[in-house]
Amino acid sequence: NAGVMQNPRHLVRRRGQEARLRCSPMKGHSHVYWYRQLPEEGLKFMVYLQKENIIDESGMPKERFSAEFPKEGPSILRIQQVVRGDSAAYFCASSPRGQGSYEQYFGPGTRLTVT
Amino acid sequence: GENVEQHPSTLSVQEGDSAVIKCTYSDSASNYFPWYKQELGKRPQLIIDIRSNVGEKKDQRIAVTLNKTAKHFSLHITETQPEDSAVYFCAANNFNGGSQGNLIFGKGTKLSVKP
Repeated sequence: NAGVMQNPRHLVRRRGQEARLRCSPMKGHSHVYWYRQLPEEGLKFMVYLQKENIIDESGMPKERFSAEFPKEGPSILRIQQVVRGDSAAYFCASSPRGQGSYEQYFGPGTRLTVT
Repeated sequence: GENVEQHPSTLSVQEGDSAVIKCTYSDSASNYFPWYKQELGKRPQLIIDIRSNVGEKKDQRIAVTLNKTAKHFSLHITETQPEDSAVYFCAANNFNGGSQGNLIFGKGTKLSVKP
């Protein structure tokens, strides 16, 4: 019974490059959330997706960041033209479908370092 | 939108003592309040949660209480053990469109249990 999977676990990018982070939700979960965590800080919501739909992207910067959750395959968080301030741990969480199912289970995270 | 405050930021207790972490929230529409434990370099793990129709919930040495009128909720850990040492985050769900809300997290409490 696999949990939430994320890859890569560690990613190093130079300034100006693109970063692609992948998240596979738990089996049977159709809701995916992305959060960012800076060192010594809490988690900040970025975007909430269901299959083929962005439900809420109010926490995501308007420029350089995008997210998708296609019908087939993992959810992807894409950061274009990375800057040093993008260095952080990016966690995704998944939740079961249906009203009243609020539990969110986190993946191991991708630690992005921008040099 | 929702805002979650968490106190204290650090907490040191002797093994066997109890630990209490408190959180307040601002949005009366929030109805789901989870607690996560995060060890260094690891994913946040859901340890207990409570919904707004319940005042208290207990799971072995862990309990959570909720006061909807005052908009605060607390985590209680009894008979603490060194392996309880971690950062604990409270959260509240935030409805911003969609059938399920994202989570708004407190800044975390670093709990140290001294043997």
